[in-house]
Formats: sequence, structure tokens, C-alpha cells
Amino acid sequence: EDQVTQSPEALRLQEGESSSLNCSYTVSGLRGLFWYRQDPGKGPEFLFTLYSAGEEKEKERLKATLTKKESFLHITAPKPEDSATYLCAVNSGYSTLTFGKGTMLLVSP
Amino acid sequence: GAVVSQHPSRVICKSGTSVKIECRSLDFQATTMFWYRQFPKQSLMLMATSNEGSKATYEQGVEKDKFLINHASLTLSTLTVTSAHPEDSSFYICSARRGSDEQFFGPGTRLTVL
Repeated sequence: EDQVTQSPEALRLQEGESSSLNCSYTVSGLRGLFWYRQDPGKGPEFLFTLYSAGEEKEKERLKATLTKKESFLHITAPKPEDSATYLCAVNSGYSTLTFGKGTMLLVSP
Repeated sequence: GAVVSQHPSRVICKSGTSVKIECRSLDFQATTMFWYRQFPKQSLMLMATSNEGSKATYEQGVEKDKFLINHASLTLSTLTVTSAHPEDSSFYICSARRGSDEQFFGPGTRLTVL
């Protein structure tokens, strides 16, 4: 059974204070690891897809990396508008996604 | 690109009535759509996988007679909550798969059953 564990559950940062979110996974065969951002009362917004260890992707202040056991979402110099819940999910080839519980990020001005 | 809409965004209904939620992929065709349910401060729980032109596949513990899914076209899937009860109140989110892997989510529908 696929498992996804995200840490920390919640993270509070000061504006400009860089940090990383962790997503550890156990799958039979990874077909893709996905990062989403979810604002309260809204659906998840797609951020990145990573397919193989060593792969990295960037978008504005966000950078996602992947190893064989985990993925990191690095946030550089965050702003208050980066406050959201960040979800990690894996696809092991059964067409469905297995989600972690998310990391709730709060960036204070 | 990759925009998914849901309608309605919010619905309040009386216990015992049925509610239909629509999910549309606006700028791509989706042979597969998914329906999720999310409780406050929890992650998404997959309810069912909807394939265009065939019956939906329901996850264990999800009542197929209560949550009717129809995927009649490559851009539209509907979820009907039949004989809704207060315990069905939740945030329902659909997603549409583009290509073989990436899923794009709708904005969600908040259902409140009185």
C-alpha cells in the first residue's frame, strides 16, 4: 500500500525566512510525485510533477526536489501570500493519487 | 491551460433531497475524472474514479447507490448525492486527468445538509 508522510504538520515563518517542507513516500513503483498548494475553501492548485530521483523543478520562490525516498519543497524568501497548505501526492501506476496530510504554512509579515 | 470548474460552489439542502454537482474540464479532454471528499483540516479522500463512457469505480466504503457518478462526455462528470443527510455535509472536489499522470482540481463544492 502506498504511503505518504508530510512534515512538519504546520510551519510558521517570518517573511524572508527560507525553509523546506518534507514529503516521505513508500510506493511499489513511482510513476510521479506531485506537489499542490491548497488555500482554505478551495481546490488544490497544481505546482509540480517529479518523476525520477535527482529531478528538480522551480517556480518563482518554490523549488521541488526528489530522491528515491522523499521530496522536498524549498521555499526561498517566502512572502505572506505563500501561506497555504502544501500537499504532496504519489502515483504508483494505479491511476489514482495517494495524498499526504499536508503542511500548513503561515508566513508572517 | 488545464482549468477545471465545478458547479455549484456552495449548496445548502434539506435532509432527504438529492444534490447534483458538475465537474467540467474547460480546456482539455479528460477520459478520467476523480471525485474526492475533504473534511476540515484533513487531506483529500478519494471517493471514486470516473471513466468516460463506463461505470465509475468506487473506493472501499463509499456507497455507490448514494453517490451516483456519471461521466457522459470527455469534459463533464457529475456527482449526485442521493437522499442527503447531515453526515454527507462536506467539501467535495473533483479532478480531471490530463494525459497519463497529472490531475488538475476544481475549486470544490461546499455541501451543507440541514
